[in-house]
Amino acid sequence: DAKTTQPTSMDCAEGRAANLPCNHSTISGNEYVYWYRQIHSQGPQYIIHGLKNNETNEMASLIITEDRKSSTLILPHATLRDTAVYYCIVSRQGGKLIFGQGTELSVKP
Amino acid sequence: KAGVTQTPRYLIKTRGQQVTLSCSPISGHRSVSWYQQTPGQGLQFLFEYFSETQRNKGNFPGRFSGRQFSNSRSEMNVSTLELGDSALYLCASSSTGTSRSTDTQYFGPGTRLTVL
Repeated sequence: DAKTTQPTSMDCAEGRAANLPCNHSTISGNEYVYWYRQIHSQGPQYIIHGLKNNETNEMASLIITEDRKSSTLILPHATLRDTAVYYCIVSRQGGKLIFGQGTELSVKP
Repeated sequence: KAGVTQTPRYLIKTRGQQVTLSCSPISGHRSVSWYQQTPGQGLQFLFEYFSETQRNKGNFPGRFSGRQFSNSRSEMNVSTLELGDSALYLCASSSTGTSRSTDTQYFGPGTRLTVL
C-alpha cells in the first residue's frame, strides 16, 4: 500500500512555479516524505525529503503541513526539462520504497 | 562520485531463456535494491541486498533471484523468461538501507528487458 494520493496529471506553464500536492493522511510519526521524479524511461531521480520542517535544496522546496497529513513539492521556475512523473513516497522499509502512481507533470511553453 | 551503473542497458531475449543483469552501486554504498517497472504494475520492489545477504524480498516468483558480492556489486537473474517479464529493471543503492534521514536511495538508469 503506497499510502499516498497524488493527482494523476498536472500542467504548468514554463517559467511559472509548479506546485505538486500529495496526501498522506496515515503517515506515521517517524516516516519521512520523499519525492522522486522519473523522466521518460530513465531511472527515478531523488529530489528532496523531509520529516516535519519545510526543506529546500537546489532543485525544489518541500512544504509539509503541521499535521503532516499532506505535503507540496514546489518547483519554483519550471522548465520544459521538468516534464516528468513525480512520485511522493512515505512508505519506506529500509531499502524498500513503495511507489504509488505519481503525478505526470507537463510543462508547456 | 559516480552514480549507480547498470549493465546492459538494453536486452532482448526469448521465452524460456534466462538473463542476468548487473548493478554497481555508488562507491561506499552497501545496500542494493532492485525494482521492476511495467506500464501495468508501475514500480515494484523485487529484493534488497546488504552485506551479501538478502534482507528484504518483494512478492515475485522464485524465478527472480539475486546476489551481492563482497564489493557490493549486485546481480539479478531471471530464469525461464516469460513475456510478462518484459520491463525496465531498476537498481538503487544507499549507504546502509535504513530509513534514516541521511540514507537516501539513488537509482541507476535501468536495464530495458524485452522478452519475445
